[in-house]
Amino acid sequence: GDSVTQMEGPVTLSEEAFLTINCTYTATGYPSLFWYVQYPGEGLQLLLKATKADDKGSNKGFEATYRKETTSFHLEKGSVQVSDSAVYFCALGINTGRRALTFGSGTRLQVQP
Amino acid sequence: DSGVTQTPKHLITATGQRVTLRCSPRSGDLSVYWYQQSLDQGLQFLIQYYNGEERAKGNILERFSAQQFPDLHSELNLSSLELGDSALYFCASSGEVPGSGSPLHFGNGTRLTVT
Repeated sequence: GDSVTQMEGPVTLSEEAFLTINCTYTATGYPSLFWYVQYPGEGLQLLLKATKADDKGSNKGFEATYRKETTSFHLEKGSVQVSDSAVYFCALGINTGRRALTFGSGTRLQVQP
Repeated sequence: DSGVTQTPKHLITATGQRVTLRCSPRSGDLSVYWYQQSLDQGLQFLIQYYNGEERAKGNILERFSAQQFPDLHSELNLSSLELGDSALYFCASSGEVPGSGSPLHFGNGTRLTVT
């Protein structure tokens, strides 16, 4: 079945450090890929998405490139801020059939001033 | 603000009891999804509705049920509650047909505590 694997957290960084959160997936068909962010006490918010191979999603300084050959969708940001502290979820959605989004287990990011 | 409203925000109840969680999707969204988020299981898909019809089932227990009403709001019913049912329950909605791979818009969740 479909699955998403994310790197274990927490990831602790200093402000202005470079961020990478790894995400790999297994899917039948041609998935769309997403990164969601969850701030404390809130629901998940869509951060960025990519719908086909080699697409790059970007938002708020975050980027992720859909790599079909390595089945990956790693999240990156060049310079993190304290306000980026949150839990990040990688997810996939299949473009056919009746299936909801499949989420990874989430990676907690802690940015220290 | 995602436009998805969930009530109540918090719920504390005892084992063996039954509760109902409510979700109002974004205006115009026909699809509603329920997810359970617990510390050890991550985010688990429970069930999906589209325009009043059940479309997909995930890891939903037989003690749990849901429905989507003609006005598109949805309710998740949890019965014979156990300690392990304590979790955050999220509702999400989407404006596109199921299976399109489109993003979901999440509510802020209902935190259920079973004592």
